[in-house]
Formats: sequence, structure tokens, C-alpha cells
Amino acid sequence: QKEVEQDPGPLSVPEGAIVSLNCTYSNSAFQYFMWYRQYSRKGPELLMYTYSSGNKEDGRFTAQVDKSSKYISLFIRDSQPSDSATYLCAMKELTGGGNKLTFGTGTQLKVEL
Amino acid sequence: EPEVTQTPSHQVTQMGQEVILRCVPISNHLYFYWYRQILGQKVEFLVSFYNNEISEKSEIFDDQFSVERPDGSNFTLKIRSTKLEDSAMYFCASSVGQGAGNTIYFGEGSWLTVV
Repeated sequence: QKEVEQDPGPLSVPEGAIVSLNCTYSNSAFQYFMWYRQYSRKGPELLMYTYSSGNKEDGRFTAQVDKSSKYISLFIRDSQPSDSATYLCAMKELTGGGNKLTFGTGTQLKVEL
Repeated sequence: EPEVTQTPSHQVTQMGQEVILRCVPISNHLYFYWYRQILGQKVEFLVSFYNNEISEKSEIFDDQFSVERPDGSNFTLKIRSTKLEDSAMYFCASSVGQGAGNTIYFGEGSWLTVV
């Protein structure tokens, strides 16, 4: 079983839709969770981070963590064509793993007009 | 907004040649990293560097790879004798510290093509 699993997509939605992106993980030591956005052949750009179970909201983005199920989600409300990108979940341990991030494969999202 | 900058953006090299990829981390950051992403695959950790030494490395980071902070601003990744399978996008990253709340910021990447 991979440490972090993420559906690669592609996911295609109409403009204005609510998008749900998900990752599951197997390593209980992961305590810190991030979502990065990556445009084609560019560096990952941090969108959100959280280290507690529950929801965290930032504008149109909501990150959700369920540590008991080892499942994290990113919701995008009122999706825009500019949201079209690959979304990467990333995780790290709080202790012992330093700052090493373990990434999912990324989900390719396309928001269509 | 401060950012991690990388050079070159794209380099083509012959198999067996040495390559040096350069990075300027964000100025007040103390932890530096290299990650790579082979085309179509996930971003993978290579190495982390703190206080002028490697703090952690992955199994990918073998003897062909080395990192250095030659002065107060640059952070470099050297690949001694490149192989075809080293073709990838290499990302430099930096953070202020470790642990919760210390976000890792990535550069735009250096695309390495080994022919």
C-alpha cells in the first residue's frame, strides 16, 4: 500500500461547481497536512496547511482532515477556470521525520466555461 | 512576496556529464531541500540541509548527488555523472524551521534533460 494515495483524475467540472479533492494515507505518524497547487511545469504553490482534525477555511478553499479515517479533503467553492491545475496533497510527521514531505500523485483538475 | 529562485530553468546535458543546479532560498529561511519530479510522477524528496550539513536524505540521493551552500545565499545540487533516469524537474525549497507551522516554499524548478 502506498503511503499516500490520490486519484490522479483528470477531473473536469463546469465553472461555479464545488470541487472535492481527496487523499488517503497509511502512515499514522503523519500529523501535518498540506495542499499544493501546481500549474504545468511549475513549482508547487502552497494553498493550505493544517495539523488538526476538522475543517479549515480560507476564502473559496476548505481543507478537511479526518485522522481517524486517515483521509483528507480539499473543497473548492465557486470553481473558476483559473483553478485548473494539478492539486497535490502532502504530509509530514511532526517529529522524527524532520521536514520531509510525502506527496500524493496529484489530481488534475479542469474547470470549464 | 519573497520566493525561492532557481537556475537554470532548463538544462540539457549528455549522459555522464556533471550538472550543478542552483537555488537562492528565501533569505530568512534556515532549512533547505531538494525534491524532484519525473514527468508524470509524484514529487519526491531528495535531501534536507540545515546548519551546513545534510539532515536527512532519501534512497534516491546516492553518491552521485551532493549538496552545498557555498556562500550565504546559494544552495546547490550537484549530480556527478548524470544518467538518463536523472531526467526530471528538480525543485529547491526552503523553510524557516521544522515542525508544525513551518511551511515549505518551493521554487519554480529546474528541468533537467539527460540525453
